This record gives sequence, structure tokens and C-alpha cells, in this order.
Amino acid sequence: DAKTTQPTSMDCAEGRAANLPCNHSTISGNEYVYWYRQIHSQGPQYIIHGLKNNETNEMASLIITEDRKSSTLILPHATLRDTAVYYCIVRGNAGGTSYGKLTFGQGTILTVHP
Amino acid sequence: GAVVSQHPSRVICKSGTSVKIECRSLDFQATTMFWYRQFPKQSLMLMATSNEGSKATYEQGVEKDKFLINHASLTLSTLTVTSAHPEDSSFYICSARSRAREQYFGPGTRLTVT
Repeated sequence: DAKTTQPTSMDCAEGRAANLPCNHSTISGNEYVYWYRQIHSQGPQYIIHGLKNNETNEMASLIITEDRKSSTLILPHATLRDTAVYYCIVRGNAGGTSYGKLTFGQGTILTVHP
Repeated sequence: GAVVSQHPSRVICKSGTSVKIECRSLDFQATTMFWYRQFPKQSLMLMATSNEGSKATYEQGVEKDKFLINHASLTLSTLTVTSAHPEDSSFYICSARSRAREQYFGPGTRLTVT
């Protein structure tokens, strides 16, 4: 699976948009970009995923660059409860030996402050 | 999102004893389940992948005779830590996925071996 690079930590003011970047320059054509977050002492929570097109759901938006070498997770109106570690993960394509495996890196510690 | 439960949430055991952790997918049938381990201030590390009715596939460095995984049904997987030692103290997290769904995580089990 392609490796991802994320900033170690970020801060965001409550009510503002949080933009979390992720580099995945070695991503291959059929690999998806997934975002999960982990609040302290809990299991990871699925946020969103995408292949090529930008995606939006009730939690966040995912912007993937045209060359797919990087992406940005956007939390449009961050709250204190969004404080967590955010993981950007590239998952192997269906049929490959790595399909289904989510390999976690160190993630970005997002701190939302009042 | 889908619900994955784990039991117990916390367990303390004495060195040399065995501990069983249960993982259940509550509202979907999980064709594949995953077990992760997370040490303090570290990221999640995949231990093994199991498909219903098949033997688990362990990641490199994970002792299959020490960490017994059973995935006997589409809604239940168990992880048994045999002859536990203090270095096995960790946060164990299961994850479940079906063909039609993304991968969802349980809340985790905190194991402390004294």
C-alpha cells in the first residue's frame, strides 16, 4: 500500500473549518484514500473515503487533487468534540493481497480550541 | 455507521493466565474481521485478519500460538491472549467489514497484565 504523510499536529478554532492535508505521492490507480479519526481511548471512527472525485458526507468533505498525490480532509465547522487523531490511509485495490487492510500511520493530532 | 462491539472493555489478569476478547458486528454480517493492537502514544498495529470459517492470517512478528483468533460466525470473532505477560498489556481493537460496507471498528479492550 502507498505510504501517507501527514503533519504531526494542527490547531483549529471552534466554529472554523479544519483543513487536514495528506500526501500520498506513490498512490496507484485503484487505491482509495480513507480517513478515520480516533478520539482518546476509543476505536477509530470512519469519516470518509474517495478514489478520484471529491466527496462529501454529513461529517466532512474530501478533496483529492487531480494527480491524486495529495488530499485534504475538511471539517467545515469544527467543534471541541472533533479533537482527535486523524488518520489518512491508502487502501489496496480489490483483489490484491492487501485488499481490506487498513495500515495506520501516526496521523495528525487535531486540537480544536474555544 | 455500522456498530461493532467488544467485550470486555477492560480486563485485568495475572501473568500466565489467558484472556478472551469478543468482537461482534451487531447490525451486519462481517465476512472479514481484523484485530489491532495499540500501545500508549503509538498508532494501531494490525495483528491478524480473519475470514469467517477460515484460519486467521497473522502479520509478521505476531505469534499465532499466543494470539488465538476464532471467527466462527459472520457476527463474532474472538481473540484469546494465551499465557499473558505484562508486555502484552495494550489496547486491543477489532474491526469488521462486509463486502458491501466499509471497515468499522469496535470501542477497544484495555488489557492489563499484572
